Amino acid sequence: EVQLVESGGGLVQPGGSLRLSCAASGFTVSSHYMTWVRQAPGKGLEWVSVIFSGGGYNTYYADSVKGRFTISRDNSENTVSLHVRSLRPEDTAIYYCARGKWVQGVHLDYWGQGIPLTVSS
Amino acid sequence: DIQMTQSPSSLSASVGDRVTITCRASQSISTFLNWYHQKPGKAPQLLMYAASTLQSGVPSRFSGSGSGTDFTLTISSLQPEDFATYFCHQTYTTPYTFGQGTKLDI
Repeated sequence: EVQLVESGGGLVQPGGSLRLSCAASGFTVSSHYMTWVRQAPGKGLEWVSVIFSGGGYNTYYADSVKGRFTISRDNSENTVSLHVRSLRPEDTAIYYCARGKWVQGVHLDYWGQGIPLTVSS
Repeated sequence: DIQMTQSPSSLSASVGDRVTITCRASQSISTFLNWYHQKPGKAPQLLMYAASTLQSGVPSRFSGSGSGTDFTLTISSLQPEDFATYFCHQTYTTPYTFGQGTKLDI
């Protein structure tokens, strides 16, 4: 059974940093386009970042987080992480980890339950 | 970046109605378009990918069409469990972007 479980969220002061983790089971993260999506309170979905499958470790980011967030993958632990730095109040959101499959584009077929991150002093 | 615009932003309908939601891309994205729905307090769920391919387990009352810049999601006969917020999502080029959502309520 495919499962994604996020952890590491919480309350952080502006300018702070945190590491969000996503533990995967039932499949291999290195074979999929692992993705982070966030949702600010009462708002829509915002695509944040993706790490491509395979050995290239290609990574891409939304303009709003580029240079501050880093996505990575640990194949031995079968986990994906999002290191978030220089946090701003507008980064407050529920962060979802999702599994991406490539069929004429990447579609997100499994999602975690989400982990809240609050940036506030 | 590619902008995705959904219409309408909200929609009221009844059980049994036929409903269509539209998504427009700011440039051509071929058929690199997915649809999700989300219920309050829950993670999004994939409905459709590659514009018109139904995700496994999704009821056949859902259908998708379109290519280039204009796409539609149709629900042929609304069921109570379909009242949710619907999002389109392009993965033609990074940054992949979502539409702003269409809230479907009773």
